Amino acid sequence: AQSVTQLGSHVSVSEGALVLLRCNYSSSVPPYLFWYVQYPNQGLQLLLKYTSAATLVKGINGFEAEFKKSETSFHLTKPSAHMSDAAEYFCAVSRGQAGTALIFGKGTTLSVSS
Amino acid sequence: SQTIHQWPATLVQPVGSPLSLECTVEGTSNPNLYWYRQAAGRGLQLLFYSVGIGQISSEVPQNLSASRPQDRQFILSSKKLLLSDSGFYLCAWRGSGSHGYTFGSGTRLTVV
Repeated sequence: AQSVTQLGSHVSVSEGALVLLRCNYSSSVPPYLFWYVQYPNQGLQLLLKYTSAATLVKGINGFEAEFKKSETSFHLTKPSAHMSDAAEYFCAVSRGQAGTALIFGKGTTLSVSS
Repeated sequence: SQTIHQWPATLVQPVGSPLSLECTVEGTSNPNLYWYRQAAGRGLQLLFYSVGIGQISSEVPQNLSASRPQDRQFILSSKKLLLSDSGFYLCAWRGSGSHGYTFGSGTRLTVV
């Protein structure tokens, strides 16, 4: 069975500070991993995805994530937070077979203060 | 281009009333379709998924059902709503050979 654990339900940073959102996965097969962002009362938007190519994945809005098999992690980072980054972020895993359902973590709410 | 439509955006329904939420996809054929529910602090829970017309898989036992009467239409229903059915419902699709989802804008359901 696959699962995702997002460490920290709330993360607060100052504008311009490093953003680090943690995600650890469990999978019996090579996983495909995703990060999504959700703004209030909206659907989810794909930030980036890992599909067994480069382990460092760059996404939209300056975010990136690194797949570390030895640590079973896929943490999301951004060097400098912007006020517009305040949102809820979800990590997700699938079995790597196209068409299979994604399993989501419980989400991390990012707050950015000026 | 592919788009996904979900409606209504918000819905307030009394306990015991029926429910029908609709999701349609444009610009693709034979998509995999999914219904998720998002409750506060609980992340996204997969409710149903469908790989084709009339093919529905249920992930959790519940008061809801799903149907796929057409290739690009996915409907979430209930005969009698419960208070616990309140939440934010999201439809998503995934093309064959694709690994990520595209989500609809969601429906905020409040059962009173």
